Amino acid sequence: ETGVTQTPRHLVMGMTNKKSLKCEQHLGHNAMYWYKQSAKKPLELMFVYSLEERVENNSVPSRFSPECPNSSHLFLHLHTLQPEDSALYLCASSRGPGIGGELFFGEGSRLTVL
Amino acid sequence: DAKTTQPNSMESNEEEPVHLPCNHSTISGTDYIHWYRQLPSQGPEYVIHGLTSNVNNRMASLAIAEDRKSSTLILHRATLRDAAVYYCILQGAQKLVFGQGTRLTINP
Repeated sequence: ETGVTQTPRHLVMGMTNKKSLKCEQHLGHNAMYWYKQSAKKPLELMFVYSLEERVENNSVPSRFSPECPNSSHLFLHLHTLQPEDSALYLCASSRGPGIGGELFFGEGSRLTVL
Repeated sequence: DAKTTQPNSMESNEEEPVHLPCNHSTISGTDYIHWYRQLPSQGPEYVIHGLTSNVNNRMASLAIAEDRKSSTLILHRATLRDAAVYYCILQGAQKLVFGQGTRLTINP
């Protein structure tokens, strides 16, 4: 138990569906992250939020839309996804996005796009 | 972003020490060296990090070369639960960029 909770743990969706992934942390952290982990690939950083403001967007397609309503919650809204978007989506948090910050990861949401 | 190079896989025996190497020849003066590990079906977990000096914690030790171009994660007495993918990462201004990591297998 890392203190970072992701729901749902598993999600299957069609290419025309709209769904959302949720991440919650009550560690008092100010920075939250979305990473994508595809089979046989390194983790890819998607988005970074610091104090609820997006500070990093790593050229992620617009069919992925993040939302950070407060420092404890982070969402990833999904729409018109492609089968190649099937992956493990990991949320993480840290005290701040700066140097030396330890990341605390959730267990991930396994997404399958049919 | 500065990159790291790790062996794809390593194997060791239970209750023996394990030395996991990492090369980071393009490290900058302000980059921290982080190690994370990912057990099967779990998100990565923090192991240790350092800047210049060697570091110890309850999980492992981190030995950093004097020129900082390489480092070694040391598991003093491996157990079966240490089987995981180990990532050596340099942390720059705002983010951690993961590489392929080393898949560590522990033999009973």
